[in-house]
Amino acid sequence: AQSVSQHNHHVILSEAASLELGCNYSYGGTVNLFWYVQYPGQHLQLLLKYFSGDPLVKGIKGFEAEFIKSKFSFNLRKPSVQWSDTAEYFCAVNTGFQKLVFGTGTRLLVSP
Amino acid sequence: NAGVMQNPRHLVRRRGQEARLRCSPMKGHSHVYWYRQLPEEGLKFMVYLQKENIIDESGMPKERFSAEFPKEGPSILRIQQVVRGDSAAYFCASSPAGGVYNEQFFGPGTRLTVL
Repeated sequence: AQSVSQHNHHVILSEAASLELGCNYSYGGTVNLFWYVQYPGQHLQLLLKYFSGDPLVKGIKGFEAEFIKSKFSFNLRKPSVQWSDTAEYFCAVNTGFQKLVFGTGTRLLVSP
Repeated sequence: NAGVMQNPRHLVRRRGQEARLRCSPMKGHSHVYWYRQLPEEGLKFMVYLQKENIIDESGMPKERFSAEFPKEGPSILRIQQVVRGDSAAYFCASSPAGGVYNEQFFGPGTRLTVL
């Protein structure tokens, strides 16, 4: 069965620090990859997605992610975080069926 | 354009009661997905429906849980005889069509607490 691992469950950063959240998946075939964000009290929103092409994907709010097929990874990055980035971040995989397989999430706290 | 609507946002039930969770997809969306998030866990797929059809229910518990998406009205996730372990956040998502390239838009979730 497909699975998604997010190794960092809680991350605390100061404003302007750089962010990298890890995401690894287990599936040997073609995958579609997503990062969702859930701000406090709000619903999940799509940050970015990868289907094919350039493995470096740019999303909203200055986020980007790099798909490294050989490492089965899709890490999320942002060069300089802001207090408003405080949220929970979910990596998800779609392996050819409609359902998404989610990681357990990473809670990011950015201190001003 | 209204997003995915879920109601109620919070639902409290006693053990043995029934819980009904509603999901209205975005306008123009005919595909609905239900996910469950248990405390300290990621979202887990439960069921995928189109109008009047269950397409994939591989994530649904075998007993007490059912889902429908009628021709008219919202999709309903029904949990009979709730137990404490059913306490979770239940999220609904919708997409305009099926297929892996269609983004799923999520609702705000229903937080079910079973006393």
